[in-house]
Amino acid sequence: DTGVSQDPRHKITKRGQNVTFRCDPISEHNRLYWYRQTLGQGPEFLTYFQNEAQLEKSRLLSDRFSAERPKGSFSTLEIQRTEQGDSAMYLCASSLDLGRDSGANVLTFGAGSRLTVL
Amino acid sequence: QKEVEQDPGPLSVPEGAIVSLNCTYSNSAFQYFMWYRQYSRKGPELLMYTYSSGNKEDGRFTAQVDKSSKYISLFIRDSQPSDSATYLCASRGTSYGKLTFGQGTILTVHP
Repeated sequence: DTGVSQDPRHKITKRGQNVTFRCDPISEHNRLYWYRQTLGQGPEFLTYFQNEAQLEKSRLLSDRFSAERPKGSFSTLEIQRTEQGDSAMYLCASSLDLGRDSGANVLTFGAGSRLTVL
Repeated sequence: QKEVEQDPGPLSVPEGAIVSLNCTYSNSAFQYFMWYRQYSRKGPELLMYTYSSGNKEDGRFTAQVDKSSKYISLFIRDSQPSDSATYLCASRGTSYGKLTFGQGTILTVHP
């Protein structure tokens, strides 16, 4: 296993178009997270999954954004009707949760998918 | 006010210097504290994490947490040009793995 994979690495689109990003987590990890990072800022939490269940969504995740994790494996993040303000790096991370408060629950990040909306 | 505040720098030091990076946080529920390093066009990678207050050392890196003052620090000894990156502090409570990140500090170590 080579870590968390994200595809595409860079997407350029025109305003109003839909885009979809894919994340393949580390295979034994049961949690998957999406973060967004704009230039000069730290990553901001968008949503996370425990297996196939989406357990939390940030207020940042407007109704134009939808994330899925069918069968608890890979995940997709779709942005509909893109806006210039959506331009950012979309980071996926995964972790292994062993139940209760099992320690640091370390997140491993992928390299990110950079979105440019023209 | 952001829950985790970090001076964005940039910070420029000569090779071999001791680097001090700092964050403050406001959420008293935070129990775990991490430092991530992010190279340009890459995702963040975990450097160190600590639980509650105290120090943790790993090679040239030392992480400190003072919960009484809500202060997080990372020290880098004998800094190298390869340490040039953005350093992100992050914190979370005990419930689950959602991390709250600081803005990141850009560090440049010049030969």
